[in-house]
Amino acid sequence: AQSVAQPEDQVNVAEGNPLTVKCTYSVSGNPYLFWYVQYPNRGLQFLLKYITGDNLVKGSYGFEAEFNKSQTSFHLKKPSALVSDSALYFCAVRDARNYGQNFVFGPGTRLSVLP
Amino acid sequence: EAQVTQNPRYLITVTGKKLTVTCSQNMNHEYMSWYRQDPGLGLRQIYYSMNVEVTDKGDVPEGYKVSRKEKRNFPLILESPSPNQTSLYFCASSPQPAGVETQYFGPGTRLLVL
Repeated sequence: AQSVAQPEDQVNVAEGNPLTVKCTYSVSGNPYLFWYVQYPNRGLQFLLKYITGDNLVKGSYGFEAEFNKSQTSFHLKKPSALVSDSALYFCAVRDARNYGQNFVFGPGTRLSVLP
Repeated sequence: EAQVTQNPRYLITVTGKKLTVTCSQNMNHEYMSWYRQDPGLGLRQIYYSMNVEVTDKGDVPEGYKVSRKEKRNFPLILESPSPNQTSLYFCASSPQPAGVETQYFGPGTRLLVL
């Protein structure tokens, strides 16, 4: 069975500082990994994904994530946080062998960027 | 504009009164899915559809029904809603279900069952 953990319910960071939102996963086969962001009263928006290839993935709005197979992690990072980055962030995983059924989402991490 | 639409956006109902939440996409996507979002639990898949007339259960299908008679529409039906179905519901679509595709989400439907 596949699963996702986001160990922090809430992350607080000052504007201009680097941010990290953590994600660890468990799948039997190779993982497809995704990050989505949810702004208040909005649906989820895609940020970035890892399918194969380079372990460092760059996405929208200056975000990036690093796939670490040995640590089964896919942490989301940004070098300099903006107040507008404040939102709810979801990590999602899918086993590459599991055709049809879609992602398993983590519980979400609320990011607050303080001015 | 490419989008997934849901209606209604907000709904208050009473236990046992049948309701339908509509979902429509204009991107000619084959794959559609329904999720519910609850605090601390993230999104959990209710049902999904790989194409017209092909639907299957997700992780939490109890108390829900779906149909896929047309490619663009994927309504979620609660035959006899109960308070534990109070939640935020999202419809999503993607070109194919193969997993490398990004999902596109609707704006959400907030349901309160009294």
